[in-house]
Amino acid sequence: DIQMTQSPSVLSASVGDRVTLSCKASQNINKNLDWYQQKLGEAPKLLIYFTNNLQTGIPSRFSGSGSGTDYTLTISSLQPEDVATYFCFQYNSGYTFGAGTKLELK
Amino acid sequence: EVQLVETGGGLVQPGNSLKLSCATSGFTFSTAWMNWIRQTPGKRLEWLAQIEDKSNNYFISYLESVKGRFTISRDDSKSSVYLQMNNLKEEDTAIYYCTCAFAYWGQGTLVTVSS
Repeated sequence: DIQMTQSPSVLSASVGDRVTLSCKASQNINKNLDWYQQKLGEAPKLLIYFTNNLQTGIPSRFSGSGSGTDYTLTISSLQPEDVATYFCFQYNSGYTFGAGTKLELK
Repeated sequence: EVQLVETGGGLVQPGNSLKLSCATSGFTFSTAWMNWIRQTPGKRLEWLAQIEDKSNNYFISYLESVKGRFTISRDDSKSSVYLQMNNLKEEDTAIYYCTCAFAYWGQGTLVTVSS
């Protein structure tokens, strides 16, 4: 089974900061990775699919990159409404989520 | 507008069964691959089951740990997908979500397994 490790588990940042969240797979997942945002009390929402494709309606301050085993979600300028937990998700072999990164405002 | 609405959750004793339903609208259900995912009290997300569409012979796959206890099914005439859960255990306590190809999610239904 492919394991997904997200870091950090908690991230504190200020409004306007550039924020980078990481996700590492236990083996090559060939860019078959999505990113989800989950706000308190809500279902996860798809932000990025296949590593770097922005889902319709998602602000352009969100972007994704990576290859092989290492992937990154970047928020170019953090906004208050971005406070949430972010999950990566691989679908290269089976389906596995990371444990999430909780993004807080400093 | 795409909508998915899960129902059927609740409090159930260990060993008992529960059937979840997910009614959908706003997309072509008959060609959609549908999934069930759960989120534990610790916020871990876990994929459970997938059912493909008619063109793929409604192929089904399961997380190994629920195989034999959980059964996914669909009714294209009702644009609905189901999850039959048998022999429930306390560790099955979670919010259960249905998703369309992982892009659209319902609001979830809470299942609590406790004596």
